[in-house]
Amino acid sequence: TQLLEQSPQFLSIQEGENLTVYCNSSSVFSSLQWYRQEPGEGPVLLVTVVTGGEVKKLKRLTFQFGDARKDSSLHITAAQPGDTGLYLCAGRRSQNFVFGPGTRLSVLP
Amino acid sequence: DAGVIQSPRHEVTEMGQEVTLRCKLISGHNSLFWYRQTMMRGLELLIYFNNNVPIDDSGMPEDRFSAKMPNASFSTLKIQPSEPRDSAVYFCASSFAGMDTEAFFGQGTRLTVV
Repeated sequence: TQLLEQSPQFLSIQEGENLTVYCNSSSVFSSLQWYRQEPGEGPVLLVTVVTGGEVKKLKRLTFQFGDARKDSSLHITAAQPGDTGLYLCAGRRSQNFVFGPGTRLSVLP
Repeated sequence: DAGVIQSPRHEVTEMGQEVTLRCKLISGHNSLFWYRQTMMRGLELLIYFNNNVPIDDSGMPEDRFSAKMPNASFSTLKIQPSEPRDSAVYFCASSFAGMDTEAFFGQGTRLTVV
């Protein structure tokens, strides 16, 4: 059983469309992180959200942490082919990082 | 700093052989994580160290796997004997200890056991 669930598992969209991906858990985390992983590379941190209800924006990416600190969403506006990759959410548990299974996004030109 | 450095990038070995994966941490980081990534199971934590001490090795699949940190900047993950089901991409990551810190990943070692 995954501690963190992500949906959808796969997403293929056209350039210019908007999308939202989700990260859900039955556990409370002190913080949640979003990473993006490109083929042949390791995951790279996009953002850390700490406070329940927090919203952070990173250019066309908007991240939200649920009020109960159990879930998070990532919204991308006007997706571009460069956004293609595996999006992973991660929760902090003790001192380690627990990762969800990821959403594999493909943005077609 | 060049980031987390893993070697080799690719390893192809025959079943039964010993495999050693290497990782150099970012200077100053004191936490080290080994992960395994497959399409079926995603990114799984194998073991992590704090200040060179193994804290949680519950993710290590079985006794064939072992990990060491001989010093503060270097770690190895050894598989002996290797099996085809060990084929995966193995990542190490380092960070500062603390609850809101970031994990910095290496580029991974793609292991294929035939």
